[in-house]
Order: sequence, then structure tokens, then C-alpha cells
Amino acid sequence: QVQLQESGPGLVRPSQTLSLTCTVSGGSISSGGSAWSWIRQPAGKRLEWIGRIYASGSTNYNPSLKSRVTISIDTSKNQFSLNLDSVTAADTAVYYCARGDDSSLYWGYYIDSWGQGTLITVSS
Amino acid sequence: QPVLTQSPSASASLGASVKLTCTLNSEYRYYAIAWHQQQPEKAPRYLMKVNRDGSQVKGDGVPDRFSGSSSGAERYLTISSLQSDDEADYYCQTWGTGTVVFGGGTVLTVL
Repeated sequence: QVQLQESGPGLVRPSQTLSLTCTVSGGSISSGGSAWSWIRQPAGKRLEWIGRIYASGSTNYNPSLKSRVTISIDTSKNQFSLNLDSVTAADTAVYYCARGDDSSLYWGYYIDSWGQGTLITVSS
Repeated sequence: QPVLTQSPSASASLGASVKLTCTLNSEYRYYAIAWHQQQPEKAPRYLMKVNRDGSQVKGDGVPDRFSGSSSGAERYLTISSLQSDDEADYYCQTWGTGTVVFGGGTVLTVL
């Protein structure tokens, strides 16, 4: 199983852009049937899917965040990244990167590996 | 858009069994789901995927005490011989066209 590690600043100012990178090890980010997701969890609340990217660069986003989110991939570095624009205090959360398996129509898309998460606080 | 419904809480005694339920909305009742465990202050961990026919595939290292099953639009996670470190939040997850959805989670208390 792959390992994933998030990196980025712990504190972001309101109205600025939150930028995170996920480094994948133990496997190739270009491996077939994989799609790479960002998920967040405010304190005490449920998991919220932000979006995903395939090695081809194709993306899907949560409609509630779509206008502010960009996910990109760098296959040469085995990394993918998240940019979230115009952040507010409501974006304070633990952010996780994750691998999803999308290789079977029978099973659909399911998350099978998680990063350890990184706490992002939005505050002035 | 798929919707997953979970009971907010469940409890069972040490050594007993517990069955958690995840219900798909009717349009998505044939879909597979994945179960994830989140222990306190930890990242979620993938446990298994469960399909409409009850077939299941577990993640690496998931104990045999954890099993999945299915009935209609409901997907189940059964944990037997409960241990103290099974006390955690359990989330189900599925997918739709261009989207991924999580249930609200069930907080499991081991008494």
C-alpha cells in the first residue's frame, strides 16, 4: 500500500489561498486505476470530500467548493496539490490526502489509503 | 447524488458484538460502499469495501473480527469480540458521477 504525506503551512490568513502538497511514496502516482483525493474534517465534524485528480490531470470537485478549488498533479515528483482560494475561518480543518481505487465499475471509487492529515487554521 | 445515512452513535460491551448500519438512498441502493475507522485524534483508516451482494474485501491487516454484509439499501459493519481500541468513529463512503460522499459517521462506545 502506498504512503501519503501532506505538507503546507499550518496558518493561513483570511482571504488568502491555502496551498497543500501530498507526496506519495511506495508506489507511482501514475499507476492505473488510481485517483488522488483531498478530504477535510473540521473539528468535531464529518469528513468532507474536496476533490480528486487522475494522473491524466482530469479532475472532479465538490460542487460546494468548486469555485474556489484547484487540484493539480506533478507525476515527475509523485505529488499532487490543493489550492483553496479566498479562505475564511470556516475552512479551518484537518486536511487529508488520500488514494482512491477506481479500477472496477463493480466496486466504484473507494478510498483505500489515507495520509496522516495536517491541521490548517485560518486566522489573522 | 448519493446520500449515506448512519446512526450518530452506538454502544456495546467489551467482548460483545455490534452491527453498524449505513443506508444508501434509493437511487443508489445497488452501490458498493467502503467502511473507514477513525480512532480518536488519528487519521481515518480503510477497513473494507462491501457490495450489494454482501461481497467484501478488507484492507491490509484488518482483523477477522471485522466483517461486512448487505441487505437491500443497507450496508453493515459487524465487529465481534469488541476491544477497547475499537472505540472510534466509523464512516461509510460511496461515489457518484464525479463525486465522492461520506456518511455522517457513527461514534462507537465500548462499555
